[in-house]
Amino acid sequence: AQSVTQLGSHVSVSEGALVLLRCNYSSSVPPYLFWYVQYPNQGLQLLLKYTSAATLVKGINGFEAEFKKSETSFHLTKPSAHMSDAAEYFCAVTLTGTASKLTFGTGTRLQVTL
Amino acid sequence: NAGVMQNPRHLVRRRGQEARLRCSPMKGHSHVYWYRQLPEEGLKFMVYLQKENIIDESGMPKERFSAEFPKEGPSILRIQQVVRGDSAAYFCASSPPQPPSGANVLTFGAGSRLTVL
Repeated sequence: AQSVTQLGSHVSVSEGALVLLRCNYSSSVPPYLFWYVQYPNQGLQLLLKYTSAATLVKGINGFEAEFKKSETSFHLTKPSAHMSDAAEYFCAVTLTGTASKLTFGTGTRLQVTL
Repeated sequence: NAGVMQNPRHLVRRRGQEARLRCSPMKGHSHVYWYRQLPEEGLKFMVYLQKENIIDESGMPKERFSAEFPKEGPSILRIQQVVRGDSAAYFCASSPPQPPSGANVLTFGAGSRLTVL
């Protein structure tokens, strides 16, 4: 069975500061990993995905994530936060061959302050 | 190109009533997934359907919940005799057929928020 753990249910950063949202996964086989963003009253939007190609994955809106097998991590980063980045971010995992069943973390709410 | 459309966006029901949530997938998508998000929790997989077939319902509660995706029309998630614990956001996602070597990317709707009084 697979699972993801997101450390920190709330993260607050200043505008222009580095964004780091943590995600650790547990999987018995090579996983596929995703980050989704949810803006208020909207559905989830895919930010980026890791599917066993490059370990550093670039996504939309300046976000990127690095797959580190030794640390079982897939942390999301952005060099400089913008006010529009305030949202809830979900890490998700699925196993190779069972791509339909995403397992989500509990989410991290990002607050961006002036 | 409309995305995944869910309705109603908000639904209020009294205990014991029925709730029906509808989902129209993106154009060209033949696979539909339902997820439930309880307050302060992540999304939990409920069911995966293709047209006229339930592929995986391992996340569905054993009683009162059912889902269908008919040949024509939207997918329906039906909850009979609702209880307060059913209050949640229900998200639908769709995808094209799974590529042979990769992972599906799910496109999510905006969700239906069910409140049971």
